[in-house]
Amino acid sequence: NAGVTQTPKFQVLKTGQSMTLQCAQDMNHEYMSWYRQDPGMGLRLIHYSVGAGITDQGEVPNGYNVSRSTTEDFPLRLLSAAPSQTSVYFCASRRQGWQYFGPGTRLTVT
Amino acid sequence: GESVGLHLPTLSVQEGDNSIINCAYSNSASDYFIWYKQESGKGPQFIIDIRSNMDKRQGQRVTVLLNKTVKHLSLQIAATQPGDSAVYFCAENKGRSGNTPLVFGKGTRLSVIA
Repeated sequence: NAGVTQTPKFQVLKTGQSMTLQCAQDMNHEYMSWYRQDPGMGLRLIHYSVGAGITDQGEVPNGYNVSRSTTEDFPLRLLSAAPSQTSVYFCASRRQGWQYFGPGTRLTVT
Repeated sequence: GESVGLHLPTLSVQEGDNSIINCAYSNSASDYFIWYKQESGKGPQFIIDIRSNMDKRQGQRVTVLLNKTVKHLSLQIAATQPGDSAVYFCAENKGRSGNTPLVFGKGTRLSVIA
């Protein structure tokens, strides 16, 4: 099993550009989630999904969209990138108990 | 609002000593707790978990203690090694079913002095 995979590892965007961060898991987990991690802020939940076709907002959803068309994939879309979205983004999945995290995407918005 | 927090943001310990990382939680409805380790440039990795019907659980060199009376969680690392240097997060959840978000604390950075 590859676990939770994320692409790209690094990305630089200009203000106003849009992009999609990819996340996939091969463990058949129903629950998937996206976090952002800023220095000194810990992990903040952006969006989560309890199964295909179901998504919900977390603590900091503004500026981000998600969809869940399959169990395996949970992409995160930045609609119009802003410097405040410079962060490290982690995707995670779980069935029961603890979450498995991906390796992260480091995003810089200039 | 209710949140998970940590008493100390940084902890330095001598190699070979025991480390204790503390975490306070305020949601009395939380019944499942997890400790994660995050090394530089990597995603958080699961260390150990505990349910609220237990007050202690042991793993390999790690022990988690849960005190529900004072809403306190701790992670003990025995014989701390340089490879233990990382940021440690506690997380709480209401229910272990997997359908509700985990709430994470801000983290404690553990530095091991050789």
